[in-house]
Amino acid sequence: EAGVTQFPSHSVIEKGQTVTLRCDPISGHDNLYWYRRVMGKEIKFLLHFVKESKQDESGMPNNRFLAERTGGTYSTLKVQPAELEDSGVYFCASSQFWSPLRNEQFFGPGTRLTVL
Amino acid sequence: DAKTTQPTSMDCAEGRAANLPCNHSTISGNEYVYWYRQIHSQGPQYIIHGLKNNETNEMASLIITEDRKSSTLILPHATLRDTAVYYCIVRSDPNYGGSQGNLIFGKGTKLSVKP
Repeated sequence: EAGVTQFPSHSVIEKGQTVTLRCDPISGHDNLYWYRRVMGKEIKFLLHFVKESKQDESGMPNNRFLAERTGGTYSTLKVQPAELEDSGVYFCASSQFWSPLRNEQFFGPGTRLTVL
Repeated sequence: DAKTTQPTSMDCAEGRAANLPCNHSTISGNEYVYWYRQIHSQGPQYIIHGLKNNETNEMASLIITEDRKSSTLILPHATLRDTAVYYCIVRSDPNYGGSQGNLIFGKGTKLSVKP
């Protein structure tokens, strides 16, 4: 069974440009999460989709970030315009259930974003 | 969600048991203890979780004290591939007024398994 995949693995862009990250969750997982780790900091939650609906977007840093999950399958995270402080590793995770009793989240390998 | 405290780093000899402690003294009754790890340059990986009973799976064992204020993750026979940062995370049940589905990562414990 394929795991969570993310594309691209690495992106280098200029400040002010736009970048779109893609995440394909494990098939059948309704829950999809975005996290990121910026330089020297801890991994931080960005948002949580249940199917195509945003369940929790409390971690989104500002309106330059837009996440979508049309059709409840793959998700995209767009950063427009990118700023230097957006550099870091963006992780996507998916889970079948959404209860602490059963909420093992499976993470992708991450996309390393470098904004110059 | 309750705050967790973990040692910054630990060393373990290859083949020996690695015991990683976590303090969660403010944990409440509906909060679960989860453990994840992140091997260098990879995404975090789920290891195990529990509420109050000890748990064991193919990767590790989780020992939770009777008062639930602390827990220990045990890797019974550590290998070099177990070198990683280990995160202890406490999560509450959203159905009982708890947080949502997100994981809150702290700094974790950097475990170095040495030959």
